[in-house]
Amino acid sequence: DAGVTQSPTHLIKTRGQQVTLRCSPKSGHDTVSWYQQALGQGPQFIFQYYEEEERQRGNFPDRFSGHQFPNYSSELNVNALLLGDSALYLCASSLLGAQEKLFFGSGTQLSVL
Amino acid sequence: AQTVTQSQPEMSVQEAETVTLSCTYDTSESDYYLFWYKQPPSRQMILVIRQEAYKQQNATENRFSVNFQKAAKSFSLKISDSQLGDAAMYFCAYMGVDNTDKLIFGTGTRLQVFP
Repeated sequence: DAGVTQSPTHLIKTRGQQVTLRCSPKSGHDTVSWYQQALGQGPQFIFQYYEEEERQRGNFPDRFSGHQFPNYSSELNVNALLLGDSALYLCASSLLGAQEKLFFGSGTQLSVL
Repeated sequence: AQTVTQSQPEMSVQEAETVTLSCTYDTSESDYYLFWYKQPPSRQMILVIRQEAYKQQNATENRFSVNFQKAAKSFSLKISDSQLGDAAMYFCAYMGVDNTDKLIFGTGTRLQVFP
């Protein structure tokens, strides 16, 4: 049983560009959450998707947007990249109603130059 | 707003010894979950142990156990018989049960294990 998979593993972009990160949830899971982990910090919640809709959102600007597909996979899009967007982006999946049983992927390391 | 504080940026332990990592949190909720996650160099967040606040009994998972003090809002992790593979970043995290299903993480503790 594949766990949570994320792609790509590493990405380098320049300021002002746009980026799309992808996540496939663990088999049987219907909810996907995204977290940003800056260097030396704990992860911070970006948003959560369920039934193809954004269910909750953390304190992130509108430059951060997402999407969930009918097969429950998800994308995180970041527009107008800033140097401060450099971070590890983690995806986590779960079943709605069992959020305490989150499974994380290995993340995408984004570097903005 | 809920907060999680880990006051030990780094800890070290000798193989086979015991180490305790500290965590405090702040919340006005009466029911919630607390977690310890391990993040090795592979970057994946791995759940170590989970505690439900309404349960008074401290959670245990093999060599890992917690000391949950609800009144003091303290949630420490004890690792017994430390192994080289325990070396990693450890994050304490909080999740409410009032339909706010996000994890709130502390800043982490880097654990080094010496042979």
